[in-house]
Amino acid sequence: EAGVAQSPRYKIIEKRQSVAFWCNPISGHATLYWYQQILGQGPKLLIQFQNNGVVDDSQLPKDRFSAERLKGVDSTLKIQPAKLEDSAVYLCASSSFDRGRGNTEAFFGQGTRLTVV
Amino acid sequence: GNSVTQMEGPVTLSEEAFLTINCTYTATGYPSLFWYVQYPGEGLQLLLKATKADDKGSNKGFEATYRKETTSFHLEKGSVQVSDSAVYFCALYTSGTYKYIFGTGTRLKVLA
Repeated sequence: EAGVAQSPRYKIIEKRQSVAFWCNPISGHATLYWYQQILGQGPKLLIQFQNNGVVDDSQLPKDRFSAERLKGVDSTLKIQPAKLEDSAVYLCASSSFDRGRGNTEAFFGQGTRLTVV
Repeated sequence: GNSVTQMEGPVTLSEEAFLTINCTYTATGYPSLFWYVQYPGEGLQLLLKATKADDKGSNKGFEATYRKETTSFHLEKGSVQVSDSAVYFCALYTSGTYKYIFGTGTRLKVLA
């Protein structure tokens, strides 16, 4: 079974520039997550999709971050304009959803390491 | 709200030493509990899980028991190897919120 695919693996941009990350979840997984992991910290949920609807985006800085999952499959996360403090690893994860049990365990991609200079 | 607390690292051990990484949680309802491992430059990989009280998750010589009375899910391994050097994250999931909550991670360094 193919895992969660993310691209690019690394990105270096200057502050105030824009950047986009792409994620293709495991086939059939209804739930897709974007996490931000700052060096030395645990992952912080930015946004959670159930199919193509947003379940939780309470910690997404909406003035600069946006995400979409138009066809309920792959997703993009965009930052515009980037700030120095956005330097982090951006992790995408997916899980399947069962009405009785909720989400199964999350499977993670390798992440995109963003450096803002 | 729900939260996960892990022991701070780094934890440095010699090869073949016994490992314990403490994890306690606060949650409403009955969460599922997980340990994820992150090797350098990689994403998170599920190491083991437990979905109800007294369940024991195990994988690759690691194990953790879901203790409801102490709200804990400590990770243990009897004999660590250099290849176990990584960051370990404890996490919980509650079906009421459909959210995963992660701890801050514990870095393990195993010396030959």
